Amino acid sequence: DQQVKQNSPSLSVQEGRISILNCDYTNSMFDYFLWYKKYPAEGPTFLISISSIKDKNEDGRFTVFLNKSAKHLSLHIVPSQPGDSAVYFCAARLSGSARQLTFGSGTQLTVLP
Amino acid sequence: DTAVSQTPKYLVTQMGNDKSIKCEQNLGHDTMYWYKQDSKKFLKIMFSYNNKELIINETVPNRFSPKSPDKAHLNLHINSLELGDSAVYFCASSLRLGTMNTEAFFGQGTRLTVV
Repeated sequence: DQQVKQNSPSLSVQEGRISILNCDYTNSMFDYFLWYKKYPAEGPTFLISISSIKDKNEDGRFTVFLNKSAKHLSLHIVPSQPGDSAVYFCAARLSGSARQLTFGSGTQLTVLP
Repeated sequence: DTAVSQTPKYLVTQMGNDKSIKCEQNLGHDTMYWYKQDSKKFLKIMFSYNNKELIINETVPNRFSPKSPDKAHLNLHINSLELGDSAVYFCASSLRLGTMNTEAFFGQGTRLTVV
């Protein structure tokens, strides 16, 4: 039973346009959400996060939106750049847990020049 | 200067063997983890460990065991390797419990292939 789901395994976007990556979760006890970016042959690297008490967090070209009622979060990248091409993982943390994260299966983003 | 490093990067071994993957972090973090990325690309927690508590994901076979000689190291030992153990294993670390920052820092992964 996957508690964090990324239903789109891949996404292609033209350079300069907006990339929107989606993530759904089922456990209402998640209190913190993160996005990680992963290049081939490297470990995931932290990108941006959001607490469950907020609905938006912005960092440069990256914005994460959280819709708690829908149990849905999204990552917006604008403008998209070729260097953004990577696998993006959504992750969530259970409140009170030992900081271990539950990850989605990832979305491969390809930004076309 | 690598924050979380794991060795080896690639490991090919035969069924039934016992192997270890090493992990070291120089971030001063108190908590370390092992994750397994399976064939469906999910990253699944195997263990989380700080100097006080080991939390084991109940789905992890007891052939897998973490060993922590000190706070900066968390090695993964695997006994009697099976074909299904083939995967990419990631080590990670994060700040001590009770802090606001939750993000984990990952190593580059170890691709284990059991033949």
